[in-house]
Amino acid sequence: QQQVKQSPQSLIVQKGGISIINCAYENTAFDYFPWYQQFPGKGPALLIAIRPDVSEKKEGRFTISFNKSAKQFSLHIMDSQPGDSATYFCAASIRGGADGLTFGKGTHLIIQP
Amino acid sequence: EAQVTQNPRYLITVTGKKLTVTCSQNMNHEYMSWYRQDPGLGLRQIYYSMNVEVTDKGDVPEGYKVSRKEKRNFPLILESPSPNQTSLYFCASRPLAGGVETQYFGPGTRLLVL
Repeated sequence: QQQVKQSPQSLIVQKGGISIINCAYENTAFDYFPWYQQFPGKGPALLIAIRPDVSEKKEGRFTISFNKSAKQFSLHIMDSQPGDSATYFCAASIRGGADGLTFGKGTHLIIQP
Repeated sequence: EAQVTQNPRYLITVTGKKLTVTCSQNMNHEYMSWYRQDPGLGLRQIYYSMNVEVTDKGDVPEGYKVSRKEKRNFPLILESPSPNQTSLYFCASRPLAGGVETQYFGPGTRLLVL
């Protein structure tokens, strides 16, 4: 049973547009929700993360929105740039990340110039 | 420079021929882990280690072994590789006290089992 469902699998956005990637989870014990960015040939790198005591976290052009009652969270990339083209993974963890990560299946994002 | 290194980066082998993928970190991290990444499946944890001589299974441990004789090294061993182990493998490390905010991933090892 997949514990973190991510959509869409792939996404094409025009430069300057907003990219939105969604994730949903089942396990209410999850209490830490990071997003990772992965470029070809590289390992995943932490992009931004949120804990369930807040509904939104913003870092530059990247925003996580979190809906605890719906058990959903999403990544918004404002003013998307070609350099944002990458694969994005949502993840969830228990005990604030002290345990291992459960990853979504990934979204391949392409920003067209 | 803080980093996690993996070797080899690319490997082609045949079914049944034992292989080892090495992982080394220079940050004195206690926690190390291995993930495999497959298209459409994301990353799945294979094994993890919370310190020297302490290892435990992740979500997909079948067909793999690990060892943790030294703090800096965490090799992944495939005793008898099979084609379904063709995948992209990542090693990761972090301090035991730190959460995943402090986790570093290696550059990956792409394995093809014929």
